Amino acid sequence: DADVTQTPRNRITKTGKRIMLECSQTKGHDRMYWYRQDPGLGLRLIYYSFDVKDINKGEISDGYSVSRQAQAKFSLSLESAIPNQTALYFCATSDIGLGDTQYFGPGTRLTVL
Amino acid sequence: AQKVTQAQTEISVVEKEDVTLDCVYETRDTTYYLFWYKQPPSGELVFLIRRNSFDEQNEISGRYSWNFQKSTSSFNFTITASQVVDSAVYFCALSEGPYNNAGNMLTFGGGTRLMVKP
Repeated sequence: DADVTQTPRNRITKTGKRIMLECSQTKGHDRMYWYRQDPGLGLRLIYYSFDVKDINKGEISDGYSVSRQAQAKFSLSLESAIPNQTALYFCATSDIGLGDTQYFGPGTRLTVL
Repeated sequence: AQKVTQAQTEISVVEKEDVTLDCVYETRDTTYYLFWYKQPPSGELVFLIRRNSFDEQNEISGRYSWNFQKSTSSFNFTITASQVVDSAVYFCALSEGPYNNAGNMLTFGGGTRLMVKP
């Protein structure tokens, strides 16, 4: 079984709808991250969480919110989806050491019409 | 602020050719970490290597090798005798050191798409 899973893997929705993307991990890591990938821009950080009680905004948090339900679960919500949020979304986890490697889930491809 | 530049957006080679993917970074920290990830056509991100700023030794893993040069702020990735299965987008990423309260924040380059033709 994969260490980091994301659901759904693909989603098509309409402008204005609320969408939740979910991430679960079995690696036992405390830190979790949400990124979005757009062509030519690499990955950009949306939100990150160091533990269940710690949530922080990343580079591009506007229009998104997150919830850390447990050490192993980190959800990303789009309260009112808009077309420019069409992208590939990745969840990642890492241990707490400095420079520890981030391990990524398989990604969720979201299309907002 | 940290920055990663992958100037080559696309590279096309014929199988068995050697290919080098360039990565140039900017940081004001003396402690930092560099990474390479591979994104095959299936879309997942696969971790390839992690290197800290105090270790400039080159590394070889099978057909893959990495050349880290602090003097030129570069961390280049070479694939020897490329194969069709190497076709993917490759990302270089940087994480700055202990004075950054944001922890292990990764800054990614824009990626290089490598196409290996048979």
